[in-house]
Amino acid sequence: EDQVTQSPEALRLQEGESSSLNCSYTVSGLRGLFWYRQDPGKGPEFLFTLYSAGEEKEKERLKATLTKKESFLHITAPKPEDSATYLCAVQASGGSNYKLTFGKGTLLTVNP
Amino acid sequence: NAGVMQNPRHLVRRRGQEARLRCSPMKGHSHVYWYRQLPEEGLKFMVYLQKENIIDESGMPKERFSAEFPKEGPSILRIQQVVRGDSAAYFCASSAAGTDTQYFGPGTRLTVL
Repeated sequence: EDQVTQSPEALRLQEGESSSLNCSYTVSGLRGLFWYRQDPGKGPEFLFTLYSAGEEKEKERLKATLTKKESFLHITAPKPEDSATYLCAVQASGGSNYKLTFGKGTLLTVNP
Repeated sequence: NAGVMQNPRHLVRRRGQEARLRCSPMKGHSHVYWYRQLPEEGLKFMVYLQKENIIDESGMPKERFSAEFPKEGPSILRIQQVVRGDSAAYFCASSAAGTDTQYFGPGTRLTVL
């Protein structure tokens, strides 16, 4: 069974204090790894897709990286508006290759 | 550029009533997925549909839950005879044919009294 574990569960940063969120996964074969951002009371907002180990994607203050066992979401010089829950999900290769398996998320709070 | 639309955003039902949740995919998207988010839990896959076809409903409870995506109109997730344990946020996502990325709607928050 595919599994996704995110750590830490919650993270508090001061504005400008860079850090990383971790997503460890177990999947029979990886089709893709996805990062989403979710604000309270809203749906997940797509951020990145990573397909192969060594791949990196960047968007503003966020950079996502991928290895064969985990992915990191690096946040550089965060701002209060980066506060949200960040979700990681995997899509396995094979028969049910459309199904996303999600972790429970990391709640990020950035204090001014 | 309308995104995925869901309605209602909030739904309150008493035990035993029916809940009907609607989802309109993004323009140009023909694939619809439903996920459920229970308190303190991650999003869980429920069902995957294409127009007039249920492709995979392996994540749906076998009783009381059904889904459809008709030729015309939105996708509908129907929960009959709701129980308190059905209280959750239900999210719809859509994707274009041949692509991997799923775009999510704002969700319907179901409360069963």
